Amino acid sequence: EAQVTQNPRYLITVTGKKLTVTCSQNMNHEYMSWYRQDPGLGLRQIYYSMNVEVTDKGDVPEGYKVSRKEKRNFPLILESPSPNQTSLYFCASTSKGEKLFFGSGTQLSVL
Amino acid sequence: GQQVMQIPQYQHVQEGEDFTTYCNSSTTLSNIQWYKQRPGGHPVFLIQLVKSGEVKKQKRLTFQFGEAKKNSSLHITATQTTDVGTYFCARSYNTDKLIFGTGTRLQVFP
Repeated sequence: EAQVTQNPRYLITVTGKKLTVTCSQNMNHEYMSWYRQDPGLGLRQIYYSMNVEVTDKGDVPEGYKVSRKEKRNFPLILESPSPNQTSLYFCASTSKGEKLFFGSGTQLSVL
Repeated sequence: GQQVMQIPQYQHVQEGEDFTTYCNSSTTLSNIQWYKQRPGGHPVFLIQLVKSGEVKKQKRLTFQFGEAKKNSSLHITATQTTDVGTYFCARSYNTDKLIFGTGTRLQVFP
């Protein structure tokens, strides 16, 4: 089954404790992206990747890192999480110009 | 110039009433996509519009792309409780980014 898999589904952490949210897709998509969703602000892009070893900043990259060492994986790293990074995060992938496939989301709370 | 304005932010309707959400851009769009997100779920692709004046239908959903390719609308005829969710439009930017509107949250009362 074609899918984007995100883990974990829920995460509660404390300020400053490094964390990684994993994302994997099985559709051989070149393009992958991370979004955060906050009430009233819609989906805002954090980082995206056009292919392996190619990543670029989205609209709200501050405080986040990503890597794309393999085509299928695109982890999101928060080196030192802060409370303003409490949000719902979505990973998505696509072949260029086509529809986005989203993961199920990760609800992150930073205390 | 990148932003897509989406209105309304919220809409509450009685089941059976119609619903419309609008996306507006100050610049010409190459295409526009629509997504639906059910409560607690993730966005799911509905449709993509590319041509000026294009109209596409999916059962009770009608999607339109403006003649000037600066606006788009999603109209739902005779809403049902299964239509509840948030509807997003999204525009392509620089061929490698997808910019989402702020979404319209639809609530349908039985």
